[in-house]
Amino acid sequence: DQQVKQNSPSLSVQEGRISILNCDYTNSMFDYFLWYKKYPAEGPTFLISISSIKDKNEDGRFTVFLNKSAKHLSLHIVPSQPGDSAVYFCAANQAGTALIFGKGTTLSVSS
Amino acid sequence: DGGITQSPKYLFRKEGQNVTLSCEQNLNHDAMYWYRQDPGQGLRLIYYSQIVNDFQKGDIAEGYSVSREKKESFPLTVTSAQKNPTAFYLCASSFRSGTPSPGYGYTFGSGTRLTVV
Repeated sequence: DQQVKQNSPSLSVQEGRISILNCDYTNSMFDYFLWYKKYPAEGPTFLISISSIKDKNEDGRFTVFLNKSAKHLSLHIVPSQPGDSAVYFCAANQAGTALIFGKGTTLSVSS
Repeated sequence: DGGITQSPKYLFRKEGQNVTLSCEQNLNHDAMYWYRQDPGQGLRLIYYSQIVNDFQKGDIAEGYSVSREKKESFPLTVTSAQKNPTAFYLCASSFRSGTPSPGYGYTFGSGTRLTVV
């Protein structure tokens, strides 16, 4: 049973526009939520995180929003750049346990 | 330069063989993890260890074994009992699992691609 779900396998966006990647979760006990970016044949790199006590965290072009009542989080990238093209993974955990990852969304940003 | 190193980058295994994937980190991280990536499956947790000489099974531990004799090292053995071992294997490390700190996240290695021939 998937605890972290990324229902959109892919997303295509034009350069300069906003990219919105979505993630749903089922475990209301999760304390932390993270987004990772991954290129083929490489390890994921950490992008941004948010704790369950917050509803927004911003870092440059990246903003993560958390809606606990809906068990939903989203990653906004503004403006999108061709170098942002990669697979994005949503992940979550309870303190003291390992991260659980979603299946990923492939973002393609065209110039 | 601190980081996490996985070796080899590519590994070929014959049917019935055990193989061991190496993972070493010099980040002074307490916790280490092994994940497996298959197409369309995301990253699935195999094993993790929060301290030396202790480890816990993840969601897909069957057919795998690990050891944590040193803080810096967390090797993964893929045994002959693993029926479908062809995949991309990722090792990661972090400060104590669940440590709340800004920018909390795992550091991943560059992965090992294992193929059964």
